[in-house]
Amino acid sequence: AQKITQTQPGMFVQEKEAVTLDCTYDTSDPSYGLFWYKQPSSGEMIFLIYQGSYDQQNATEGRYSLNFQKARKSANLVISASQLGDSAMYFCAMRRVTGGGNKLTFGTGTQLKVEL
Amino acid sequence: DGGITQSPKYLFRKEGQNVTLSCEQNLNHDAMYWYRQDPGQGLRLIYYSQIVNDFQKGDIAEGYSVSREKKESFPLTVTSAQKNPTAFYLCASGRSSGSTDTQYFGPGTRLTVL
Repeated sequence: AQKITQTQPGMFVQEKEAVTLDCTYDTSDPSYGLFWYKQPSSGEMIFLIYQGSYDQQNATEGRYSLNFQKARKSANLVISASQLGDSAMYFCAMRRVTGGGNKLTFGTGTQLKVEL
Repeated sequence: DGGITQSPKYLFRKEGQNVTLSCEQNLNHDAMYWYRQDPGQGLRLIYYSQIVNDFQKGDIAEGYSVSREKKESFPLTVTSAQKNPTAFYLCASGRSSGSTDTQYFGPGTRLTVL
């Protein structure tokens, strides 16, 4: 069974600093995808970044980058130059291949607070 | 604007009543999904549909039902059989094929049982 683990329930970072949110995963599938979503207090889930298990390079999207270490089964999200608007809940998710469909398994999330 | 809409934003239900949550998308996506989120938890999959007139149970389908009569719509019914229905419900859609398929989410419906 697939599992996503986010061990940091809460993180604080100062504005303009970089922050790393941890995510480890467990799967026996040879092919999988890893996603990060942002959930502000309004509740909507906002897609941030995607990493495929066979991608040779780490994914980047603007200020977001994914530090993918396949052997360690980790997919940490790095946010550079933090902004006050980055304060939100962040979820790591993995796409499940087995059983058909495009189902996602989510971690329990990390609450990020950006301070002045 | 393209996107996913969910209604209502807040919903209150008395015990023993069935309620239906609406989810509509105009992204021309084949696949649609329903998730449940409890406080301090990640999302859990209730039901999903890859094509019209077809849907499958997710991890926590008991007490819920869905239909997929149109590509754009995937309503979720929370039945009286659902033991603890108070939660935040999120609908998502995406292309059904491809390993890079990203799911895009609606704004959610917060259901409270009185």
